[in-house]
Amino acid sequence: DVKVTQSSRYLVKRTGEKVFLECVQDMDHENMFWYRQDPGLGLRLIYFSYDVKMQEKGDIPEGYSVSREKKERFSLILESASTNQTSMYLCASRTGTITDTQYFGPGTRLTVL
Amino acid sequence: AQTVTQSQPEMSVQEAETVTLSCTYDTSESDYYLFWYKQPPSRQMILVIRQEAYKQQNATENRFSVNFQKAAKSFSLKISDSQLGDAAMYFCAFFGGGTSYGKLTFGQGTILTVHP
Repeated sequence: DVKVTQSSRYLVKRTGEKVFLECVQDMDHENMFWYRQDPGLGLRLIYFSYDVKMQEKGDIPEGYSVSREKKERFSLILESASTNQTSMYLCASRTGTITDTQYFGPGTRLTVL
Repeated sequence: AQTVTQSQPEMSVQEAETVTLSCTYDTSESDYYLFWYKQPPSRQMILVIRQEAYKQQNATENRFSVNFQKAAKSFSLKISDSQLGDAAMYFCAFFGGGTSYGKLTFGQGTILTVHP
């Protein structure tokens, strides 16, 4: 079974802090994604990566950056956390075949105070 | 840009009954894929069922089936013989080519409650 893990289930940070959310997949998938999930808005794509050190902006990249130094790990970075970034963050991975299923991690509930 | 709309924020069903969750989408593409994902209270999202737009036959996975109406741009999920474990948030998602190539567009989600 594909396993996608995220470093924390719950995280509380202060405004202005730099925040790292980590995601690791164990199936050698080429593609990885970061979404945020908010009530009434569904999931919105922040960034996706199609290879090591290769990424593209999604629909809502403002205030975020990403890093993918190794194939299995995809990090989401909040350079200076703000209260409007309080949300559930979901990581997903997929093979290089774009019609294949995306596999999701358990999510990180981030609260920015 | 594609949009996906789930007009039912919440639905409920009695155990063993059937429930249908609605989804509509908007696209100018002719070749695309549609998905239903389930997010149980533990939060790990899993794929329930997928439909390729070029296939006229509706997809079925055990108790889950879809009603895909391409002309109407409608993609509903039917859950038969509902079980307590079906309680979750369900997301409809669209995948196509063009500028959105490589990513899914999700609807707002429908929370399904199953009553014993």
